[in-house]
Amino acid sequence: EVQLVESGGGLVQPGRSLKLSCAASGFTFSNYYMAWVRQAPTKGLEWVASITNSGGSTYYRDSVKGRFTISRDNAKSTLYLQMDSLRSEDTATYYCTRDGRIAHFDYWGQGVMVTVSS
Amino acid sequence: DIVMTQAPLSVSVTPGESASISCRSSKSLLHSNGITYVYWYLQKPGKSPQLLIYRMSNLASGVPDRFSGSGSETDFTLKISRVEAEDVGIYYCGQLLENPPTFGGGTKLELK
Repeated sequence: EVQLVESGGGLVQPGRSLKLSCAASGFTFSNYYMAWVRQAPTKGLEWVASITNSGGSTYYRDSVKGRFTISRDNAKSTLYLQMDSLRSEDTATYYCTRDGRIAHFDYWGQGVMVTVSS
Repeated sequence: DIVMTQAPLSVSVTPGESASISCRSSKSLLHSNGITYVYWYLQKPGKSPQLLIYRMSNLASGVPDRFSGSGSETDFTLKISRVEAEDVGIYYCGQLLENPPTFGGGTKLELK
């Protein structure tokens, strides 16, 4: 059974940093692209970043470029999102999702809440 | 960025009846390889999104065949036949033709 379990969320002040993790199991992690998608309270879905299966290429939405870094450790089957210089508009539930390349975003984690507030 | 526009914002359906949700893209989602990169997701109340339809008309694993997707290059439809209580939630269309992937604003399905 495919499982994606996020951790690392919480309350953080504007300008500070936070690192999210996503532990994957039930599939060969190193074969899949992965992504982070977020959802602000009562809002819709917003793609944040993606990473290729090897980690050799990464992609970001414009609003997080230069502030967020997506990475992965295939030996640990874990995906990360380092978030620096956080802003109030980054407040959201962050979902880890598998990108099946055919069936994109075919599995999602339970989500982790990030609140940026002073 | 490609803009995805959904209609209606909400729909109320009698159990056992059918429901249709529309989605329009600001650009053709038909790739030169013949694949149309539109996807449908359902977010049940308090849950994470789940994939329903990929590449416009392909049913994701484990999804009941009451769900179907169709469309053209820019206009797409999700149809739910014989709506059940478990179908309640917010439906999102999304495009994965090009970066950044973008989603529609969502359509809330409720039961009458």
